[in-house]
Amino acid sequence: DAGVIQSPRHEVTEMGQEVTLRCKPISGHNSLFWYRQTMMRGLELLIYFNNNVPIDDSGMPEDRFSAKMPNASFSTLKIQPSEPRDSAVYFCASSHLADTQYFGPGTRLTVL
Amino acid sequence: AQSVSQHNHHVILSEAASLELGCNYSYGGTVNLFWYVQYPGQHLQLLLKYFSGDPLVKGIKGFEAEFIKSKFSFNLRKPSVQWSDTAEYFCALDNSNSGYALNFGKGTSLLVTP
Repeated sequence: DAGVIQSPRHEVTEMGQEVTLRCKPISGHNSLFWYRQTMMRGLELLIYFNNNVPIDDSGMPEDRFSAKMPNASFSTLKIQPSEPRDSAVYFCASSHLADTQYFGPGTRLTVL
Repeated sequence: AQSVSQHNHHVILSEAASLELGCNYSYGGTVNLFWYVQYPGQHLQLLLKYFSGDPLVKGIKGFEAEFIKSKFSFNLRKPSVQWSDTAEYFCALDNSNSGYALNFGKGTSLLVTP
């Protein structure tokens, strides 16, 4: 198995631009999680899905952030418009039911 | 509310020294506990996990952790560290109420010097 796949690995954009991060979970996993890692706040949960349905998005910072999971093999996290404080590493993770979460390599986002 | 606290933010050890990283959690119910490691420039990898049973859990690369329920602790140990153990270590917990989303501690940065 290729593991959790995220793209792009690095993204540099200017303030105000739309950013879309992508994630392909491990085949057969039914839970998908988006986390954000910053120096100040550490690793934080943004949102998670069970069977493609968003369950808890209370960690999403504000309305500029949105996430979708149109099918079991793909999820997106969108920031529109982006701001410099959104600069972070964004991780996607997947798991099967309540089992171990496996993390992707992350997307390092820099908003200038 | 649940929370995870890692006491040591930065640890520097010489090779062959013993390691113990502290982790305490706050939650009144049943939890699952994890230690993840993040090597420089890499993604998080699971070191070990505790769901139930024997409170002494052995993981990969010679790491182990002990769940002490009375102390709400899950400290990570390794008897002899290597330079390749230089990394960031994260303690985390989840539970059924959180949908098994992980709640992470702030992390401990370990530097092992030759």
